[in-house]
Amino acid sequence: DQQVKQNSPSLSVQEGRISILNCDYTNSMFDYFLWYKKYPAEGPTFLISISSIKDKNEDGRFTVFLNKSAKHLSLHIVPSQPGDSAVYFCAASDSHGSSNTGKLIFGQGTTLQVKP
Amino acid sequence: NAGVTQTPKFQVLKTGQSMTLQCAQDMNHNSMYWYRQDPGMGLRLIYYSASEGTTDKGEVPNGYNVSRLNKREFSLRLESAAPSQTSVYFCASTRRGGISYEQYFGPGTRLTVT
Repeated sequence: DQQVKQNSPSLSVQEGRISILNCDYTNSMFDYFLWYKKYPAEGPTFLISISSIKDKNEDGRFTVFLNKSAKHLSLHIVPSQPGDSAVYFCAASDSHGSSNTGKLIFGQGTTLQVKP
Repeated sequence: NAGVTQTPKFQVLKTGQSMTLQCAQDMNHNSMYWYRQDPGMGLRLIYYSASEGTTDKGEVPNGYNVSRLNKREFSLRLESAAPSQTSVYFCASTRRGGISYEQYFGPGTRLTVT
């Protein structure tokens, strides 16, 4: 049972255009969401997060949108740059879970290629 | 600060051999995690340690054991390696208890079991 899904394995966009990466979740208890970026042969690095009390969070070129009713979040990168080419993972947490363990559930990842 | 470090970076094992993957963090984090990454599967949690002295199973714990040696170190052991354990293994840590649940990841260990 995949609780967090990234249905697009890959995405290719032109430099300067917008990249939109999507993520769906099934567990209504999830209340904190994160995006990670991963380059080959490196560990994932944190990019941006959003709490369920918000519907948008912005950090420079990166914006995350959360639609709780649809159980959907998206990451927008504007403008896209060749250095953004990487695998992007979304992750979700139930921060008020009984054990409060800080566990994250990750999606399968989307490989973004930004062409010069 | 080195952040999260993992050793070794690469390892090749024969079926049935055992090995221990080491992980250490210098950020004074409470919680530590072991994940495996397989193509098309994302990051799947193997075991975690919410605090020093505790360990719990994650999504895919079979074939693995862990030890939280102290607050800094969290090791993953494969007692009898199988080809299905060929994967990239990541260790992560987080402060927990705060607002952010950002986890910090190590560089990974690429394991091949033949």
